[in-house]
Amino acid sequence: QKEVEQDPGPLSVPEGAIVSLNCTYSNSAFQYFMWYRQYSRKGPELLMYTYSSGNKEDGRFTAQVDKSSKYISLFIRDSQPSDSATYLCAMSAGNYGQNFVFGPGTRLSVLP
Amino acid sequence: EAEVAQSPRYKITEKSQAVAFWCDPISGHATLYWYRQILGQGPELLVQFQDESVVDDSQLPKDRFSAERLKGVDSTLKIQPAELGDSAMYLCASSLEDTEAFFGQGTRLTVV
Repeated sequence: QKEVEQDPGPLSVPEGAIVSLNCTYSNSAFQYFMWYRQYSRKGPELLMYTYSSGNKEDGRFTAQVDKSSKYISLFIRDSQPSDSATYLCAMSAGNYGQNFVFGPGTRLSVLP
Repeated sequence: EAEVAQSPRYKITEKSQAVAFWCDPISGHATLYWYRQILGQGPELLVQFQDESVVDDSQLPKDRFSAERLKGVDSTLKIQPAELGDSAMYLCASSLEDTEAFFGQGTRLTVV
């Protein structure tokens, strides 16, 4: 079992839909959680960064962390064709020397 | 806006040749990471530096890969000799302590 699991998709939705992207993990030491967006042939771009459990909202994006279930989510409201990309979750224990562990990414296509 | 600089953006090399990638992290970021990303997968850590010291190189194929960060600022990743299986995106990232990581645009390596 991999440390971080993520549905690879691809996921196709119509423009304006609410998108839900999810990751599960096995390491209970993780306490920092990140979502990255990666366009084709580009480096990952940080979207959301949260610490421990709870919700965080930034514009059309909402990140949720449920540490008791080892489950994190990213919601995209009013999805746009420009949101079409691969979404990567990443997490870290946050201790010195602990690196970030990534999920495999979910490919999202928002159709006009 | 501060960003992680990487060069070259693209590199094509013949197998058994040497190849090198360069990374300049965001100013003030003590932690520097080199990740490798195979198409359709999430980034996987190759090496992590804290200032000029290697913190984690457990996944670095040391028979052919080397990395250095001599003055604790920019870094070089080298492959010698390159193999066909090394074709991937090589991503550099930096972070302030163990908070979120910011990525460069990556170097796409093709070994022929």
